[in-house]
Amino acid sequence: SSELTQDPGVSVALGQTVRVTCQGDSLRSYYATWYQQKPGQAPLLVIYGKNTRPSGIPDRFSGSSSGNTASLTITGAQAEDEADYYCSSRDSSGDHVVFGGGTKLTVL
Amino acid sequence: EVQLVESGGGLVQPGESLRLSCAASGFTFINYYMSWVRQAPGKGLEWVASIKQDGGEKYYVDSVKGRSNISRDNARNSLYLQMNSLRVEDTAVYYCARGFYWSLWGQGTLVTVSS
Repeated sequence: SSELTQDPGVSVALGQTVRVTCQGDSLRSYYATWYQQKPGQAPLLVIYGKNTRPSGIPDRFSGSSSGNTASLTITGAQAEDEADYYCSSRDSSGDHVVFGGGTKLTVL
Repeated sequence: EVQLVESGGGLVQPGESLRLSCAASGFTFINYYMSWVRQAPGKGLEWVASIKQDGGEKYYVDSVKGRSNISRDNARNSLYLQMNSLRVEDTAVYYCARGFYWSLWGQGTLVTVSS
């Protein structure tokens, strides 16, 4: 199995742009998937594949990848974006899933 | 309404067993790969197990392999997780999730393993 590494916490001023990153060897082979989780709620899928947003996810959320690093970018962060963000990907077998430790995003 | 509803959690002692259920509604269950994901109190997400649409292939995280079984009943639109020889470290909220990218999650069911 592989591991994914995320910064524990990131902050952004209201309306500014923030990037949440995720590093791991598996990201050289598989795209990251990103989930948002607010306190007391189930996770919510925000980005999957190369850069696909499910229906209902604002277009200020976008994903990108380079080498072993995947990024979730929020362009014009809103107060409601304050949450924990988790990346995940398939491991080298393709059948197992690994998560990053999560990034707590604070909107100032 | 499209939803997943988990049940079956509770307080058990180490070494005991528990069967979690996930009832799906509002979509064609048989079309979807399904998974269980857990979250220990105050911790991050951890994938537990997945099962293909026909139930023919199953996958597990190493920490539960050999003592857990994921199954599904497509006629009943239900997903299950049988967990045996439970350990304190299995304490978590267990979510069922739909699809390859987990586009739909249930509200979770809490499993507490404690003596």
